[in-house]
Amino acid sequence: AQSVTQPDIHITVSEGASLELRCNYSYGATPYLFWYVQSPGQGLQLLLKYFSGDTLVQGIKGFEAEFKRSQSSFNLRKPSVHWSDAAEYFCAVGVPGNQFYFGTGTSLTVIP
Amino acid sequence: DSGVTQTPKHLITATGQRVTLRCSPRSGDLSVYWYQQSLDQGLQFLIQYYNGEERAKGNILERFSAQQFPDLHSELNLSSLELGDSALYFCASSPGDGLSPLHFGNGTRLTVT
Repeated sequence: AQSVTQPDIHITVSEGASLELRCNYSYGATPYLFWYVQSPGQGLQLLLKYFSGDTLVQGIKGFEAEFKRSQSSFNLRKPSVHWSDAAEYFCAVGVPGNQFYFGTGTSLTVIP
Repeated sequence: DSGVTQTPKHLITATGQRVTLRCSPRSGDLSVYWYQQSLDQGLQFLIQYYNGEERAKGNILERFSAQQFPDLHSELNLSSLELGDSALYFCASSPGDGLSPLHFGNGTRLTVT
């Protein structure tokens, strides 16, 4: 069965530090992969997506993610975190039939 | 702005009552999804519609029902409400082409007292 795991429930980083949020998926073929961000009281906003091709994808707000098939991972990175990046981050997998599976989310706190 | 509109933004009601949540998808999107987000359960998929037809069901209670109308807007009906139904309810839409990501509305916050 398809599943998405985000091992880190909560992460705290200092402003200006680098960030990596982990995501592992379980799916038999190459899935479509997404990262979303949710600010308090808001809906989920798409940060980036991977369908095929270059395994390093760039997104909005300076985020990037790398697809590693051998590790079934799609980790989200940012070189320098800003205070405004504090939010909940969700990794998601899309499979044929237009089904989507979301991880449980990682809450990011940014320390000034 | 995702283009997905949800109304109302907030809803406060009592146990045992029934409410209807409304969603207008992005222009051109045929598929609508409903999700429930609560503190202890995370983001739970409820149900998906494509062009008026139910496509997939997730963890949707029998007290809950949904439909998608010919103009593609969707409604989620919650009945016999319990305290545990208090949550954020999100609608998301996609073209339904199997390639495009979901775009989410800002949600309806339901409080059952």
